[in-house]
Amino acid sequence: EADIYQTPRYLVIGTGKKITLECSQTMGHDKMYWYQQDPGMELHLIHYSYGVNSTEKGDLSSESTVSRIRTEHFPLTLESARPSHTSQYLCASSEGFGANVLTFGAGSRLTVL
Amino acid sequence: AQTVTQSQPEMSVQEAETVTLSCTYDTSENNYYLFWYKQPPSRQMILVIRQEAYKQQNATENRFSVNFQKAAKSFSLKISDSQLGDTAMYFCAFGGATNKLIFGTGTLLAVQP
Repeated sequence: EADIYQTPRYLVIGTGKKITLECSQTMGHDKMYWYQQDPGMELHLIHYSYGVNSTEKGDLSSESTVSRIRTEHFPLTLESARPSHTSQYLCASSEGFGANVLTFGAGSRLTVL
Repeated sequence: AQTVTQSQPEMSVQEAETVTLSCTYDTSENNYYLFWYKQPPSRQMILVIRQEAYKQQNATENRFSVNFQKAAKSFSLKISDSQLGDTAMYFCAFGGATNKLIFGTGTLLAVQP
């Protein structure tokens, strides 16, 4: 079944640790996105990619980095986690421009102690 | 810059009744898309309904319909015959020339039995 998968769903980690949030989609979508969402709050775009080897920073500044080596894979990395990084991270993908219907993953909830 | 405003942080409705969620936006573009997304508690965000700005006819998807007023830059969502499963956070979103969705702050809808 075509879908978008995020792992881990929940992660509790100590300050200073390196973490990678995985995102994979099986729909062959070129466009992929990472959003940050604090509880009960709006979504803020932090990274996006329009294809392999293409990555751009979003509207909200983030210390995280992303890579897009394969179409289906768009991981997000934090080199040194801090409590301010505690949030939910949503990965999404879309087929094309214009209509921009996003398919979202279930999210990764990160807590940094 | 485009903005999306949802002025109702929380709403409540009785099962089987009708509720309307408000959304206004600001843009200088003429061609764009508007969306309502639903985020159930601890579950994946999914598309509820989409409206193309060039279409005058309001979009409808089963119990969900929109009232799109282009001149007023208003895009409200009407849910008829509310069901317990409609309990969720609802986000209004704007998709324009930048091909990046801009989300509102969301409305938390609680359907009461």
